[in-house]
Amino acid sequence: GAGVSQSPRYKVAKRGQDVALRCDPISGHVSLFWYQQALGQGPEFLTYFQNEAQLDKSGLPSDRFFAERPEGSVSTLKIQRTQQEDSAVYLCASSLVGATSGGARHTQYFGPGTRLTVL
Amino acid sequence: KNEVEQSPQNLTAQEGEFITINCSYSVGISALHWLQQHPGGGIVSLFMLSSGKKKHGRLIATINIQEKHSSLHITASHPRDSAVYICEVGNTGNQFYFGTGTSLTVIP
Repeated sequence: GAGVSQSPRYKVAKRGQDVALRCDPISGHVSLFWYQQALGQGPEFLTYFQNEAQLDKSGLPSDRFFAERPEGSVSTLKIQRTQQEDSAVYLCASSLVGATSGGARHTQYFGPGTRLTVL
Repeated sequence: KNEVEQSPQNLTAQEGEFITINCSYSVGISALHWLQQHPGGGIVSLFMLSSGKKKHGRLIATINIQEKHSSLHITASHPRDSAVYICEVGNTGNQFYFGTGTSLTVIP
């Protein structure tokens, strides 16, 4: 049906607050990616799920960042004790197949992003 | 760490001009994608390349695997082409790296 959706679209948090960002991928998509995009920069990889398995979390900047996709569909990115440097747009993308099926050769569909501002 | 480099960073063109955006990468890849990002953040995939050349309307994308280089061309540019164009490369492990983007402004 619809494309990738993310919520909330905008989030303002006070430093030290915990936030949770949601991603609804396209139904049936195996791969789900989280990216962080700072102002004026390209997206940077945070983590990757193939179904419910988190296969790569090497891009998560600290242990304050945690992501899950418990049923292999909706995913949540949680940031604990937010800091000002966490301010960015958080993008979610999904694609039809996983890494073992040549995932890089398939189109990623991006959500609109969540703009997080930490005061 | 700059696995993907794009040039130019900013580009202003007159309507109708032919535009080229370049991308060089340093990692082994399975595929390269060109993305378009409009103000407000929405990203759309334009092309996926693993070899050769693809054309879609006024857009042409080429890749030279040996030289680790790709170009995106826009013929007969139009103000609605104004956007940020991002080069993205992916490897067999589904790891993706992005360039910082080329901000294109086409003036009527």
